[in-house]
Amino acid sequence: DTGVSQDPRHKITKRGQNVTFRCDPISEHNRLYWYRQTLGQGPEFLTYFQNEAQLEKSRLLSDRFSAERPKGSFSTLEIQRTEQGDSAMYLCASSGGGSTGFPGNTIYFGEGSWLTVV
Amino acid sequence: QKEVEQNSGPLSVPEGAIASLNCTYSDRGSQSFFWYRQYSGKSPELIMFIYSNGDKEDGRFTAQLNKASQYVSLLIRDSQPSDSATYLCAVRDTGNQFYFGTGTSLTVIP
Repeated sequence: DTGVSQDPRHKITKRGQNVTFRCDPISEHNRLYWYRQTLGQGPEFLTYFQNEAQLEKSRLLSDRFSAERPKGSFSTLEIQRTEQGDSAMYLCASSGGGSTGFPGNTIYFGEGSWLTVV
Repeated sequence: QKEVEQNSGPLSVPEGAIASLNCTYSDRGSQSFFWYRQYSGKSPELIMFIYSNGDKEDGRFTAQLNKASQYVSLLIRDSQPSDSATYLCAVRDTGNQFYFGTGTSLTVIP
């Protein structure tokens, strides 16, 4: 079990450019989450997959954001036409599912991908 | 919008004391409750979870849940300087969605 892996760990981009982040969840986990976190705030939900199906997407997520999980394994989060307000840490987390109380319900985070838009 | 409220702190305790962190949530349908620790510049790491009313102990940590009051807390006994971090409360709903508070900053003074 290698944990949740995110790439790249740091990205500096110019405003208007597109960026893509990749997340590899824990291998047996079928649920994958993307969150965004800014300084002094808790993680803010962006979107959630169960296997390859995107089950929920935050209303706060503009059309510039898109996420995929094509084969139910790794996922990508793309931000088009980046803005300075997109600067944040983008967190991926995964969960093994199961019923309430099952340890697999817990979500485990990757190390995060830091985005700075200049 | 499902709310998870935490006192942002900062909370300061002397080394060896008990630190008490509190959290309230708005959704009565919430299923499970989690505490994460986050060091500056790092991602959250799970400390423990609880889903039944009462206390759950794991080493120096005790989580307490009161669903009637929609309240969950974390006690850290024998606090150490290495416990200095931000503690995030998270709640899982019936749709497997997780909601986080803004975190409480804890400083343990040697």
